Amino acid sequence: DTGVSQNPRHKITKRGQNVTFRCDPISEHNRLYWYRQTLGQGPEFLTYFQNEAQLEKSRLLSDRFSAERPKGSFSTLEIQRTEQGDSAMYLCASSSPTSTGGRAEKLFFGSGTQLSVL
Amino acid sequence: RKEVEQDPGPFNVPEGATVAFNCTYSNSASQSFFWYRQDCRKEPKLLMSVYSSGNEDGRFTAQLNRASQYISLLIRDSKLSDSATYLCVVKTSGTYKYIFGTGTRLKVLA
Repeated sequence: DTGVSQNPRHKITKRGQNVTFRCDPISEHNRLYWYRQTLGQGPEFLTYFQNEAQLEKSRLLSDRFSAERPKGSFSTLEIQRTEQGDSAMYLCASSSPTSTGGRAEKLFFGSGTQLSVL
Repeated sequence: RKEVEQDPGPFNVPEGATVAFNCTYSNSASQSFFWYRQDCRKEPKLLMSVYSSGNEDGRFTAQLNRASQYISLLIRDSKLSDSATYLCVVKTSGTYKYIFGTGTRLKVLA
């Protein structure tokens, strides 16, 4: 399968613990996005990478959140000192200017990591 | 005010019906528009892009009204398999992020 892969699928943690999620984008995609989604809401933008450079980060994102994409391939999202309000589905998406063949850029999403903070 | 607003629904329609969803966006600098579909407990997937002249893909028609800052999606001859949440997505110039609406839930009834 050459789609976007996210691990783990589910993560249950206690408040105050640190968690790290991994995203492996489609191999030829240089653009990578992290989103967060809660029940009944649309995905909320967290951060964007172009190759290894983090070019945009949501102002809503607290400094407990950090993301990396060290070699421009896979990415990790770390949440430190988790809070119950961090419980959500964390989605990763990738894209490439060449993946559309047209004006529109198509985002390919992974299945997400469901985080539950107890 | 949210940057992208949608009626959350649910819209319950019988099979074969025509249903339309609207979405409004607040930033006049928005330049790219999309509809994504999300099935329950699944990831969003691109349904179609929305072009200025309007565009059609089978039973689906998308339109853009820049003056009023809204996007619409029309589904003709609804199928049971169309039941899903439809997410309006906007991208604004000067930013890399795609902004999603809350989604409109559609349920097509037999």
